[in-house]
Amino acid sequence: DQQVKQNSPSLSVQEGRISILNCDYTNSMFDYFLWYKKYPAEGPTFLISISSIKDKNEDGRFTVFLNKSAKHLSLHIVPSQPGDSAVYFCAASARSGGSNYKLTFGKGTLLTVNP
Amino acid sequence: DSGVTQTPKHLITATGQRVTLRCSPRSGDLSVYWYQQSLDQGLQFLIQYYNGEERAKGNILERFSAQQFPDLHSELNLSSLELGDSALYFCASSFGTGPFSPLHFGNGTRLTVT
Repeated sequence: DQQVKQNSPSLSVQEGRISILNCDYTNSMFDYFLWYKKYPAEGPTFLISISSIKDKNEDGRFTVFLNKSAKHLSLHIVPSQPGDSAVYFCAASARSGGSNYKLTFGKGTLLTVNP
Repeated sequence: DSGVTQTPKHLITATGQRVTLRCSPRSGDLSVYWYQQSLDQGLQFLIQYYNGEERAKGNILERFSAQQFPDLHSELNLSSLELGDSALYFCASSFGTGPFSPLHFGNGTRLTVT
């Protein structure tokens, strides 16, 4: 049972255009959402996050949108650059007991930005 | 550089064997997490330690065990290895255990079981 779903295994965009990566979740207990970026032969690195009390968070070229009613979030990258080519993981956090939180990851979307 | 060190980078072993993966967390981080990434799978959470104590368990097999030592480094032990255990194993660390403490990942250990 996959609680965090990234239905597009891959996405290809032209440099300078917008990249939109999507993520759906099923668990209503998730209250914090994160995006991680992963280059080959490296571990994932934290990119941007959003709390469930917000619907948008922006950091430079990266914006995450959250639609709680639809249990959907998206990551927008504008403008896309070749260096953005990587696997992007969506992750969702829920309290797992006491002050502990458990992070659940999607399978990732491979973004390729073509020059 | 995330500051999280994982050794070894690659490990090739035979079925039935036992291996130990090692992780040194980022300086100052008290939480250590282990994740498994198999082909076509996302990052599957295995286990979490905080300051030496086990805090959460995910889809960790009974053949697998882990611990966090007083110096906060952690080891993941995989025994009676099967072909299906071949995967990338990531260690991550964070300062706290809450959602506002992003995880910092190491570069992983690639385990190949033959």
